[in-house]
Amino acid sequence: LAKTTQPISMDSYEGQEVNITCSHNNIATNDYITWYQQFPSQGPRFIIQGYKTKVTNEVASLFIPADRKSSTLSLPRVSLSDTAVYYCLVGPFNQAGTALIFGKGTTLSVSS
Amino acid sequence: EAGVTQFPSHSVIEKGQTVTLRCDPISGHDNLYWYRRVMGKEIKFLLHFVKESKQDESGMPNNRFLAERTGGTYSTLKVQPAELEDSGVYFCASSQDPAGSSTDTQYFGPGTRLTVL
Repeated sequence: LAKTTQPISMDSYEGQEVNITCSHNNIATNDYITWYQQFPSQGPRFIIQGYKTKVTNEVASLFIPADRKSSTLSLPRVSLSDTAVYYCLVGPFNQAGTALIFGKGTTLSVSS
Repeated sequence: EAGVTQFPSHSVIEKGQTVTLRCDPISGHDNLYWYRRVMGKEIKFLLHFVKESKQDESGMPNNRFLAERTGGTYSTLKVQPAELEDSGVYFCASSQDPAGSSTDTQYFGPGTRLTVL
């Protein structure tokens, strides 16, 4: 599975838009990009997934450029409750049984 | 709809003892996965079931770990005998078979924290 690189940590204030960029230079043609969020003492929680261009749901937006070698998770107007670790994962997620490979993730700290 | 549940939430045992962790996947999900995070490390894949069959157990660390999913519903992960390095958080996830243009989204449980003394 493609190796991903993302910032170790980010700080933000409440109400700001936060963009977390993930690099995946070796992404394969059949790979998708998935982001998970994890709060302390909880399991990872699926946020959003995409293959190309832009995907938006009620939680976040995911921007994927044409070359797909990077992606950006955008969290609009963050609140204190968005403080968590965010993981970027890449793999052939259109196939069941793909083991998720987690890196260290990006620790987002939101303060008032 | 209930999410993935795991039991217990925390287990403290002594080295050499046996512990059994349980995972109840989301109803109707044929795929069940076990992952774990040991202290200071990333979350690592252990194994994958499709219904009651093990499809991939490449991540199982050694033969002290035994996973079962009898009847294709809940799964258990037994560690026997437990060693100090087995301490960590064990996560279970489940997913449906992707169909058509959908993708395989794995939904995680809260995890079981295992402490081996």
